[in-house]
Order: sequence, then structure tokens, then C-alpha cells
Amino acid sequence: DTAVSQTPKYLVTQMGNDKSIKCEQNLGHDTMYWYKQDSKKFLKIMFSYNNKELIINETVPNRFSPKSPDKAHLNLHINSLELGDSAVYFCASSQEGGGLAQIHGDTQYFGPGTRLTVL
Amino acid sequence: AQKVTQAQTEISVVEKEDVTLDCVYETRDTTYYLFWYKQPPSGELVFLIRRNSFDEQNEISGRYSWNFQKSTSSFNFTITASQVVDSAVYFCALSEDGDYKLSFGAGTTVTVRA
Repeated sequence: DTAVSQTPKYLVTQMGNDKSIKCEQNLGHDTMYWYKQDSKKFLKIMFSYNNKELIINETVPNRFSPKSPDKAHLNLHINSLELGDSAVYFCASSQEGGGLAQIHGDTQYFGPGTRLTVL
Repeated sequence: AQKVTQAQTEISVVEKEDVTLDCVYETRDTTYYLFWYKQPPSGELVFLIRRNSFDEQNEISGRYSWNFQKSTSSFNFTITASQVVDSAVYFCALSEDGDYKLSFGAGTTVTVRA
């Protein structure tokens, strides 16, 4: 069983289009994340959600809008795609901040990544 | 400011050689967490180890070992008797207490030649 899944795995689109990436986790975690990996392999946090509430929005253009319909899902919608948006986007989940125990520093488990290419 | 520094960009070794990957971190928190992840050529990110700041014991898992030294703010990773399947990009990462994110180093690409 896949713990963190993302669809699609590859996404090729034209500049100016709008696209979405979906993420689902079946680990029962409270917190989900989106990371961007650029062409130099550098990984940077974009967003994190805890119990469907936005916790981190790390200076990401407002063309990027995450949506968490429930704790198990965190989708990423991108409007007006630009060439610079080409990257690999990773979803992750952890038990960070979970429940009464207020877990911290929990291990983040990553999805397989979505390679977005904007032409 | 970069919180995690992996000074080695690329390392190339011949099979069966040992390879050590350096990781230096920076934080003012007394409680923090350190991680290593592996990214093989297939692209997924594979969790290897998590360490909290209060546990300085070194750890060994098969051919992998980790050396955590708070005095030098380092969390180094050694692969013993490397194999071709160890070829990957290895990332060190830091999570500060209550931070809800990982701060990654730039990664070290390890190439193991047969």
C-alpha cells in the first residue's frame, strides 16, 4: 500500500495554463506539506497544513493555492503557469503537532513527486 | 541564512570503498531534529534516519552509520563498503522545534562505480 501518493507523476503544459496536483496519505497523519525541488535539486518548503489549517506559506506566489479538503488530502493548484514553475513537486506527511501529545520533529514521509514541465 | 550545509557537492568512489557525507547545521534551539534522506535516480525521497538533539548516540544500520556531534553541530553519514545501489543524492535536513517544516541541505551526489 502506498503511504503518500501523488497524481500525476508527470505534467507537461503550456505557459499560462492552470493545473492541479493531488496528494493523498493513508498514514493517518495530521500534517501535510508541499515542497519544491528545483533543477539544482534544492528542496524548499512551500506550504504545510495541520488538521486542514494552513500553518506555513513560505513566500510562494499567490498563483499557488493549496487546498486541504480533509486531513488525508492536500492538493496544489497553480494558476497562470510560468516557465520558472518547472520543477519537481513533492507532497509529504507527518504526525507533527498531532493530537494531545503535540508531537514535534516527526519524520516526514514523501510522495513519489510530480515533475512539472512548463513549455 | 543556510541552516544546513552539505559542503560536498559530489563524491565518486569505487565499489567497496567507504564514503562519509558531511552535514553541518545551525540552530539556536535546544530542541531540534536531524534527518537524512536518500534520493536515488528514480527520484523518490527515502527516509533514512531521524535524530533528536538530546540523543547523541551514534547509530549503525547495516552498512550505514551516523555520527552526531553537538559540539561541532555536525551529523555525518558514513556508508561502509559502498555498492552501486548506493548511488544517489543524499540530503541532510533540520527541523526546529514546532517548525512544521524541514530545512534541507543542498545534497551530496554519491556515485559508486563498479
